[in-house]
Amino acid sequence: AQKVTQAQTEISVVEKEDVTLDCVYETRDTTYYLFWYKQPPSGELVFLIRRNSFDEQNEISGRYSWNFQKSTSSFNFTITASQVVDSAVYFCALSALERMDSSYKLIFGSGTRLLVRP
Amino acid sequence: DAGITQSPRHKVTETGTPVTLRCHQTENHRYMYWYRQDPGHGLRLIHYSYGVKDTDKGEVSDGYSVSRSKTEDFLLTLESATSSQTSVYFCAISGGDGDEKLFFGSGTQLSVL
Repeated sequence: AQKVTQAQTEISVVEKEDVTLDCVYETRDTTYYLFWYKQPPSGELVFLIRRNSFDEQNEISGRYSWNFQKSTSSFNFTITASQVVDSAVYFCALSALERMDSSYKLIFGSGTRLLVRP
Repeated sequence: DAGITQSPRHKVTETGTPVTLRCHQTENHRYMYWYRQDPGHGLRLIHYSYGVKDTDKGEVSDGYSVSRSKTEDFLLTLESATSSQTSVYFCAISGGDGDEKLFFGSGTQLSVL
């Protein structure tokens, strides 16, 4: 069965610090997709990134970067020079086929609450 | 923004009553999902649909049923609501084969007293 673990329940940093959010996943499939979503205090869910299992290249988007390592089943998310507006709950998610006759379904981790203090 | 609407946005009901939440999309996406969000548990998948009349269970499907009689609507029913079903419910849609990013609705806050 597929599973996503975000061991960090809550992280608190001071503005301008770098912070890394950990995500470890489990799946037996060789083809799968990994995602990160952000949920700011307003409550909506915002898509950040999608990665497929065949693309281990790290990605950078402004202050955000993602490190995908299949060897450790991890897909970590780093925010460089954090800002107060980064305060939110961040979710890692995995989409995989559980069985050959099934369809993809997206499973989320329990989330990491990030608080960036001024 | 993706055309996805949840109704109602808020609902208070009593234990034992049936409740139906509606998710409506205008994107013609094949996949639709119902999640619940609770503190400490993140988002947990209740049921999902990969086509009209094609549905499957998620992680926490007990006490819930779903129906999808047309592409644009996905209904979530609590046959007999319990206090443990007090939660925020999110509907989501996805294109492709379910491997694409999800677009989420605004959520429904359900309180079961």
